[in-house]
Amino acid sequence: GQSLEQPSEVTAVEGAIVQINCTYQTSGFYGLSWYQQHDGGAPTFLSYNGLDGLEETGRFSSFLSRSDSYGYLLLQELQMKDSASYFCAVRNTGTASKLTFGTGTRLQVTL
Amino acid sequence: NAGVMQNPRHLVRRRGQEARLRCSPMKGHSHVYWYRQLPEEGLKFMVYLQKENIIDESGMPKERFSAEFPKEGPSILRIQQVVRGDSAAYFCASSTGLGTYNEQFFGPGTRLTVL
Repeated sequence: GQSLEQPSEVTAVEGAIVQINCTYQTSGFYGLSWYQQHDGGAPTFLSYNGLDGLEETGRFSSFLSRSDSYGYLLLQELQMKDSASYFCAVRNTGTASKLTFGTGTRLQVTL
Repeated sequence: NAGVMQNPRHLVRRRGQEARLRCSPMKGHSHVYWYRQLPEEGLKFMVYLQKENIIDESGMPKERFSAEFPKEGPSILRIQQVVRGDSAAYFCASSTGLGTYNEQFFGPGTRLTVL
């Protein structure tokens, strides 16, 4: 089967940097995606890693190590509006379009 | 360019009734995915459809649930004889099916409450 592990909650202060880790167990790994979801809202795509290394998009960066089955999302210069749930999601080679989501990390940004 | 549209946004049904959830993909997208999300949980894949074809339904419950994506009109997720455990948020996503990543864009979801 497949499983993804994320911390359930993270708290950080405004302006800080926070890292949300994701470890996965899956067969036929294709890539790792990150989504943001505000309460009552739809998941919004943030980042994707198909290859090892760091992908940077503005204040958000994502990292992947395929050999360690591990990735993380890095959020810099935290803002109050970043308070949301963050999900990692795996795409597999067998069904390259299906996403398997982690249980999510709830980020609370405080003053 | 309008995003993924879902309706209704909120749906209340009594046990035993039928629920129909609609999804109109983004313009130019011919691939549709349905996911279910229980409170405080991640999204669980249900089904992946292209026009007039079910590509992967490995996440669909064997009974009471069905999905279609006709040549014309929105994709429909149908739940027959709903039970309280069906209460959840149901999200639809669409993509072009092209490119290395084939990013999925999500709709606002339909929140189903079964009384």
